[in-house]
Amino acid sequence: GIQVEQSPPDLILQEGANSTLRCNFSDSVNNLQWFHQNPWGQLINLFYIPSGTKQNGRLSATTVATERYSLLYISSSQTTDSGVYFCAVDLTGANSKLTFGKGITLSVRP
Amino acid sequence: GAVVSQHPSRVICKSGTSVKIECRSLDFQATTMFWYRQFPKKSLMLMATSNEGSKATYEQGVEKDKFLINHASLTLSTLTVTSAHPEDSSFYICSASSRNNQPQHFGDGTRLSIL
Repeated sequence: GIQVEQSPPDLILQEGANSTLRCNFSDSVNNLQWFHQNPWGQLINLFYIPSGTKQNGRLSATTVATERYSLLYISSSQTTDSGVYFCAVDLTGANSKLTFGKGITLSVRP
Repeated sequence: GAVVSQHPSRVICKSGTSVKIECRSLDFQATTMFWYRQFPKKSLMLMATSNEGSKATYEQGVEKDKFLINHASLTLSTLTVTSAHPEDSSFYICSASSRNNQPQHFGDGTRLSIL
């Protein structure tokens, strides 16, 4: 099956710093999503980005489908950005299942 | 838009009890919903794909008689953990999308604790 690898596994930042989170996947995908899981377990949709670049406030994401990777950029990090960031992909987009990476645990210190 | 509601958010019950978890798409119809399980500090693992009007498709290693899934309408899927035991304690979360090539939206999850 498709492999999804995220790096780094853990990241500690000082408030205000910028960071880049990476997601590599092993096959062509029709859907790629980035999520933030908060301490209460809620999965927050950040981006639906099978290709191209999108921005939402301090966050932006880029997916290069031909090279099978996606990047999530966090600028001017805040303590509320702490949590686990997941990348998830599906192969066909036909209501197909998502395969999740192992996640990146981000801690932003004041 | 694209809100998925999941209930209950937390359940604590005795071993041997059956527990039903509901997943509803509030503002869209979903022919397919998905059920995931997450252990502490781990990623989400797909358990099954819930198909409206037909049997669910279970992932390898998931006991279909233990985890009963019903998708009776285009807006509701239920997961019943039958005769739950402590090893069934986990975080269960559902998702749905409105149509092909659209993002999946997740419920807030259910934290199940079996004593």
